Amino acid sequence: RKEVEQDPGPFNVPEGATVAFNCTYSNSASQSFFWYRQDCRKEPKLLMSVYSSGNEDGRFTAQLNRASQYISLLIRDSKLSDSATYLCVVNGVAGGGADGLTFGKGTHLIIQP
Amino acid sequence: GAVVSQHPSRVICKSGTSVKIECRSLDFQATTMFWYRQFPKQSLMLMATSNEGSKATYEQGVEKDKFLINHASLTLSTLTVTSAHPEDSSFYICSAREGSEQYFGPGTRLTVT
Repeated sequence: RKEVEQDPGPFNVPEGATVAFNCTYSNSASQSFFWYRQDCRKEPKLLMSVYSSGNEDGRFTAQLNRASQYISLLIRDSKLSDSATYLCVVNGVAGGGADGLTFGKGTHLIIQP
Repeated sequence: GAVVSQHPSRVICKSGTSVKIECRSLDFQATTMFWYRQFPKQSLMLMATSNEGSKATYEQGVEKDKFLINHASLTLSTLTVTSAHPEDSSFYICSAREGSEQYFGPGTRLTVT
């Protein structure tokens, strides 16, 4: 079983639509959770941290369900510039060090005009 | 925000040669840096945790004698791929931790011919 699982997509959605991604993780001892964004052939950039209480940053809302080991990301009023791969990331899973991040394979989002 | 640089951004080398990649934290000190590798259409995989002044911690399956890591100062970690082979061709990305967040370098694309 993969440690962090995501639907790879691609998700093709029209501009202005709302889109949601989900992610599950296998290790219940995981400590911290993040969504990163990665553009083609670039390094990942932190989009937002994810908390059990849920957090919102502009058009982006992230939610964590520890009981179900499930993380979500909601993007409202999607823009063309939101097209990217969204990586679900968990901290505290990798064996070599609790701070090493474990990445999902990413969900590819394409916003269409 | 925190900035991490990597050098070189792209390198092509012949099979059997060694390649050194540098990772620098430009505006902060990082006692811990991380090295990741990403193959095409795959997720980033943590290779090792680099600790300033001590030995690196390698993930299972990563050969420490092949991927030499040196973290000689609080702003510099190096990864040397020794006796590189075509299967080592990949996108190598470092990150540096500041507080609870990790900041990624722009990556180094290694091609071994």
